[in-house]
Amino acid sequence: AQSVTQPDIHITVSEGASLELRCNYSYGATPYLFWYVQSPGQGLQLLLKYFSGDTLVQGIKGFEAEFKRSQSSFNLRKPSVHWSDAAEYFCAVGGSGTYKYIFGTGTRLKVLA
Amino acid sequence: NAGVTQTPKFQVLKTGQSMTLQCAQDMNHNSMYWYRQDPGMGLRLIYYSASEGTTDKGEVPNGYNVSRLNKREFSLRLESAAPSQTSVYFCASSETGRSEAFFGQGTRLTVV
Repeated sequence: AQSVTQPDIHITVSEGASLELRCNYSYGATPYLFWYVQSPGQGLQLLLKYFSGDTLVQGIKGFEAEFKRSQSSFNLRKPSVHWSDAAEYFCAVGGSGTYKYIFGTGTRLKVLA
Repeated sequence: NAGVTQTPKFQVLKTGQSMTLQCAQDMNHNSMYWYRQDPGMGLRLIYYSASEGTTDKGEVPNGYNVSRLNKREFSLRLESAAPSQTSVYFCASSETGRSEAFFGQGTRLTVV
């Protein structure tokens, strides 16, 4: 069955520190992978996506993610976190023609000044 | 360009009441979705419409019905609301099943 695991429910980092949010997926075919960000009271905004090709993908707001098929992972990274990055982050997996995006339970990021 | 628009933004219902959540997208997308978001559970798919004229059940369809009114609009109906349906509901759309989904701002529903 398709699934997405985000092992960290909460993460706290200091402003300027690097960030890595973990995402592991289970999917029987070639996955499409996404990271979304949700600010309080808002909808979800796409940060980046992976469909095929280069396994290191760049997104908006300075985020990047690396697809590692051997580890079934798609971790999100940022070299230097800003206070405005405090939000909840969701990893999602989909597939060609499935029309079903499966979301992880989210990681809430807190940024210390 | 509004993207995905949901109405209403907030709603309080009494147990047993019915209501319809409206969703419209102006991106000419083929596929539309309804999710619910509950603390610690991420987003769970209620129903989706791969294309105009089709609808299918997602993970948690019980207690809900949907209508794909036309290519732009996809509504979610609660026939007899229950407290377990208290949640934040998100509508989303995508060009196809192979592209990213775009989300509305959500409807916060409380059933008392």
